[in-house]
Amino acid sequence: SQQGEEDPQALSIQEGENATMNCSYKTSINNLQWYRQNSGRGLVHLILIRSNEREKHSGRLRVTLDTSKKSSSLLITASRAADTASYFCATDAYKAGTALIFGKGTTLSVSS
Amino acid sequence: DSGVTQTPKHLITATGQRVTLRCSPRSGDLSVYWYQQSLDQGLQFLIQYYNGEERAKGNILERFSAQQFPDLHSELNLSSLELGDSALYFCASRRGGAATNEKLFFGSGTQLSVL
Repeated sequence: SQQGEEDPQALSIQEGENATMNCSYKTSINNLQWYRQNSGRGLVHLILIRSNEREKHSGRLRVTLDTSKKSSSLLITASRAADTASYFCATDAYKAGTALIFGKGTTLSVSS
Repeated sequence: DSGVTQTPKHLITATGQRVTLRCSPRSGDLSVYWYQQSLDQGLQFLIQYYNGEERAKGNILERFSAQQFPDLHSELNLSSLELGDSALYFCASRRGGAATNEKLFFGSGTQLSVL
């Protein structure tokens, strides 16, 4: 079963715009991670946020975490065509953190 | 390059057959994870091995099995294949077994097509 669920499933924007993706999860977590997948390729880690953190930045990425609402958001600012990919959140609630459980992802299309 | 190597990249086989997917983790990583990705199910966790022992099991079918060898490479065996087993199979690795602050490094996957 999926622990994280991303929203929206698909997002289309123009270059230069901001993209926001949301993730909701069901049980308590120690941390939440975001990954990116270019079409048909392996996932690449973007950022990790711990349960005691509320916001984290990495370059053009901003991640927030609201443990009371069991939700997280990923903001990509000033999007580029190269940001076109699928984005997944992953939580560590399964089997005492041994496994990361991924949502179904948000597919982002950035057009120039 | 993530440092995780998966072979083969593509595999085409027939229903009822058995195949073996191979994964070499990053140097120094003791944990290997197997995931299955399909359009309808998304990315499903199958199984994890840590230093040769099974650590966690997810949505892995009884027709599927895995093992991790002393050199830490892992193999995922899929038998009595069905059309629905067609998917992209990923291996991922990380250094620890239960450390929750570690990221996963993914291989490029094996695309399995069952005809």
